[in-house]
Formats: sequence, structure tokens, C-alpha cells
Amino acid sequence: DAKTTQPTSMDCAEGRAANLPCNHSTISGNEYVYWYRQIHSQGPQYIIHGLKNNETNEMASLIITEDRKSSTLILPHATLRDTAVYYCIVRVANTGNQFYFGTGTSLTVIP
Amino acid sequence: GAVVSQHPSRVICKSGTSVKIECRSLDFQATTMFWYRQFPKQSLMLMATSNEGSKATYEQGVEKDKFLINHASLTLSTLTVTSAHPEDSSFYICSARSMGGPPTDTQYFGPGTRLTVL
Repeated sequence: DAKTTQPTSMDCAEGRAANLPCNHSTISGNEYVYWYRQIHSQGPQYIIHGLKNNETNEMASLIITEDRKSSTLILPHATLRDTAVYYCIVRVANTGNQFYFGTGTSLTVIP
Repeated sequence: GAVVSQHPSRVICKSGTSVKIECRSLDFQATTMFWYRQFPKQSLMLMATSNEGSKATYEQGVEKDKFLINHASLTLSTLTVTSAHPEDSSFYICSARSMGGPPTDTQYFGPGTRLTVL
């Protein structure tokens, strides 16, 4: 699976949009981009995933560049409860392949 | 959404004893489950892949005789830490692969089990 690069940490003001970038320049054509987050001392929570088109759900939006070498997770109106470590993972779907977690981005939402 | 539970949530044991952790998929069947370990201020490290009805596949460096995995049903996988030592103290997290319904083929994680070995 392709490796990902994320900033170590970010701050975001409460109520503003949080934009979390992820670089995956070696991504293969059949690899999806998945985002999870982990609130302190809890298991990771699924957020969203996509292949090439932008995706949106009730939690977030995922913007994938046309060349698929990078993506951005957008939390449209960050709240204090969004403070967590956010992981970007790329992997081939529908194969049972494992998820390998990188170091992620520690997002702190500031009141 | 898909729910995965773990039991116990916390366990404290003496060095040399064995500890069993259960992982259950509550509202879906999981032919594949995964076990992770997370040390303080570190990311999740995959330990093994558990397939229902077959032997688990362990990541490099993980001792299969120390971390026994059983996946006897489509909703239950267990991890037994045998002869636990203080260095095994960690946060153990399982995940289950969901194939049905949107989103397809994603993993749902349990809440984790905090193991402390004295």
C-alpha cells in the first residue's frame, strides 16, 4: 500500500472549517483514500473514503486532486469534539487488505 | 452504522498470567478481523489478520505463540496474550471488515482494551 504524508499537527478555530491535507504521491490506480480519526483513548472512527471523485457525508467532505496524488479532508464547522488524531490511509478496496496507519495529524480545535 | 465491541475495556494482571480479549461485530458478519496494538503517543501497529475458520496471519515481528488469535465465528475473534509481561502493557484495538452495505469494504474499530501488566 502507498505511503501517506500528513502534517504532524494543526489548530482550527471552533466553528471554522478544518482542512486536513494528505499527500499520497505513489498511490496506485486501484487504491482508495480512507480517513479515520481517533479521539484520545478510543478506537479509530471511520470518516469517509473515496477513489477519484469528491465525496461528502454527514461528517466531512473529501477532496481528491485530479492526479490523485493528494487529498484534503474538510470538516465544515469544527467543534471541540472534533479534536482528535486524523489518519489518512490508502489501500486497495475489496481485497481484505490491511490498514496500515501512519502518524496522522493531531487536530486541536480551539474555542 | 456498524458496531464493534471489545471486552474487557480495561484489564490489570500480574506478570506471567494470560489475558483474553474479545472482539465482536454486533450488527454485521465479519469474515476478517484485525488486531492492533498502540503504545502511548504512537500510532496503531497492525499485529495480525484474523480470518474466520482459518489460522491468523501475523505481521513481521509479532510472536504468534505469545499472541494467540481465534476467530471461531463470523462475529467473534479473541486475542489471548500468553504469559504477559510489563512490556506487553498497551492499548489493544480490534477492527472488523464490513462487506455489506455502503460504504463497502471498510473497517470498523472497537473501543480498545487497555492492558496493564504489573
